[in-house]
Amino acid sequence: AQSVAQPEDQVNVAEGNPLTVKCTYSVSGNPYLFWYVQYPNRGLQFLLKYITGDNLVKGSYGFEAEFNKSQTSFHLKKPSALVSDSALYFCAVVPNRDDKIIFGKGTRLHILP
Amino acid sequence: DAGITQSPRYKITETGRQVTLMCHQTWSHSYMFWYRQDLGHGLRLIYYSAAADITDKGEVPDGYVVSRSKTENFPLTLESATRSQTSVYFCASTTSGGLTTQYFGPGTRLLVL
Repeated sequence: AQSVAQPEDQVNVAEGNPLTVKCTYSVSGNPYLFWYVQYPNRGLQFLLKYITGDNLVKGSYGFEAEFNKSQTSFHLKKPSALVSDSALYFCAVVPNRDDKIIFGKGTRLHILP
Repeated sequence: DAGITQSPRYKITETGRQVTLMCHQTWSHSYMFWYRQDLGHGLRLIYYSAAADITDKGEVPDGYVVSRSKTENFPLTLESATRSQTSVYFCASTTSGGLTTQYFGPGTRLLVL
């Protein structure tokens, strides 16, 4: 079955340190990958996506993600975390162009001042 | 204001009652979606619509009904609410299929007693 996994329910990072939120996927063919962020009492907001081309994708708020086909991963990264980055992060995959998006269960990111 | 809105934002109802959650978008996006968000499950797709008068089931459609008589509106009805339908419901819209960014409403928090 097509799926996306976020192996960590929660990630804690000190402010100013680099952060990584992990995402792996299991799909046949070439996947299309997304990251969304949800702040408290808000809907999800788009951060970035990988469709094709360069494996390193840059997105909003200084976030980036690297598509790694051999490891079937799409980890979200930021060089220096801010307290305001604290939120719930969702990885998502579209297995094929005409498929519907599948969301992971989410990872709660806590940036400690 | 332009965007995607949901009403009500909060709703308390009783088991067996019919409840309708409203979703309205001002972008004339073709696609609209209903998700529910539950701890441990992330976002799960309930129903989606590719255009007015075209709707289709998602991952968890049982107990829900949708309609799309106008492009801008996509109401979700719980015909006979159950406690298991206590959740946060998000509406989203996008211009076309799975590869385009989805724009989410602020959510409706529903409690079924």
